[in-house]
Amino acid sequence: NAGVTQTPKFRVLKTGQSMTLLCAQDMNHEYMYWYRQDPGMGLRLIHYSVGEGTTAKGEVPDGYNVSRLKKQNFLLGLESAAPSQTSVYFCASSTGPGQGDNQPQHFGDGTRLSIL
Amino acid sequence: AQSVTQLDSQVPVFEEAPVELRCNYSSSVSVYLFWYVQYPNQGLQLLLKYLSGSTLVKGINGFEAEFNKSQTSFHLRKPSVHISDTAEYFCAVSRTGFQKLVFGTGTRLLVSP
Repeated sequence: NAGVTQTPKFRVLKTGQSMTLLCAQDMNHEYMYWYRQDPGMGLRLIHYSVGEGTTAKGEVPDGYNVSRLKKQNFLLGLESAAPSQTSVYFCASSTGPGQGDNQPQHFGDGTRLSIL
Repeated sequence: AQSVTQLDSQVPVFEEAPVELRCNYSSSVSVYLFWYVQYPNQGLQLLLKYLSGSTLVKGINGFEAEFNKSQTSFHLRKPSVHISDTAEYFCAVSRTGFQKLVFGTGTRLLVSP
């Protein structure tokens, strides 16, 4: 009963370091999303994917890259971390066209990332 | 483009009192509306959704919301809150259920004894 799993749960980086956040879903969902959550700003979409091998920019894509090589995984990369990227990152997934009625997005528990 | 406004950043209430969390949206097309709840150090869970049909939507944990197209609102209500309802609540809108959601800034519900 895993749903959406994010790895790692916590991480502290130094400015300029790189890292990759992993999101895995076991619900055969077509669509996957990466959000960041900052105090007083709600959740903002970074990138999303409508299927294996595809990615698209969201509202705040700068400084991030993503890849969806396998349907069940969606990776978020920070090439050169900056303090402004300190945030809580959430991955979500949802059904796509042809997968039944419109279904809500399912969220992981988040990754708390601090950039010093 | 769609947008969501949650006017109240924080709502304090006593246990067993009723509560209403306000959400207004703007969109030039028909939308789907959602309320999500986030408990401390957890991800978001769906409380309820409005896709079509009856404008009064019932969700989990005794919450309900009413879609008002003329006022472009989707307020969340509960007749009697519990301490365990203390959490942050997010209203969200999308053009379809599986497309990218646009979230409000959230309302923190604080229930005290």
